[in-house]
Amino acid sequence: SAVISQKPSRDICQRGTSLTIQCQVDSQVTMMFWYRQQPGQSLTLIATANQGSEATYESGFVIDKFPISRPNLTFSTLTVSNMSPEDSSIYLCSGVTGVGNTEAFFGQGTRLTVV
Amino acid sequence: GENVEQHPSTLSVQEGDSAVIKCTYSDSASNYFPWYKQELGKRPQLIIDIRSNVGEKKDQRIAVTLNKTAKHFSLHITETQPEDSAVYFCAGWGTSYGKLTFGQGTILTVHP
Repeated sequence: SAVISQKPSRDICQRGTSLTIQCQVDSQVTMMFWYRQQPGQSLTLIATANQGSEATYESGFVIDKFPISRPNLTFSTLTVSNMSPEDSSIYLCSGVTGVGNTEAFFGQGTRLTVV
Repeated sequence: GENVEQHPSTLSVQEGDSAVIKCTYSDSASNYFPWYKQELGKRPQLIIDIRSNVGEKKDQRIAVTLNKTAKHFSLHITETQPEDSAVYFCAGWGTSYGKLTFGQGTILTVHP
C-alpha cells in the first residue's frame, strides 16, 4: 500500500490570495487525483493529475482557478487561486497503482478556510 | 459520465444489529466497486472492494454483494459496534472514464 503525505493540513487564507497544497507519495503511483469535499458532503473530483502534462479537469473546474502540477510519479500540487469564501472546503489528493481499478489511497486532507 | 446513487443518507442501529447500505451505478462498463469509511476529520479508508467478476466478498463482519445485471451493490456490516460509527462511501471505477465516482455517503451511527 502507498502512504500519501499532504500539507498543509489546514490553513486560513485571505480572499484574493492563492494557496498551494502538496502531496508526496512514498512509492510510485500511476494515477493521482484531486478532490474537494464540502463538510458533510461526498467527494467531488476536481481533476486527474497527469505526469508531465496538463491535468484533466472535471466539469465545473478550470485550470486558471485550480492549476495542478505533477512533475513525477510521486508528487503533485494543487493551487487554489484568487480564493473566495466559496472555496472554503477540504481538499484531498489520491493515488492509485495499477491501471485504476485498485485501491485508491488518500492524503489526510487540507482544511481550507477563506476569510 | 458514471452516476453512483447511495442510500440511505443516514442509518442508526443498535449495537449488535446489522447495517446495510445500498448503491446503484449507471455505467455498465464499471468494473471495480470499493467502499470507504471516513471518520470525522480523517481521510477515507478502504474497508472492502469487489470487482465485476465476483458476486460477493466477505471480510470478517463486513461483506459486499454485487448484482451486475441490476447494477447495484451493497455493503453489509454484521454485529455492529460503536466504533463502526462513521460516514461510508461507495464508489464505482468506470473504465470508460478512468476515475472513481463516489456515492453521496451514509452516516452510520451505532448506539451502545
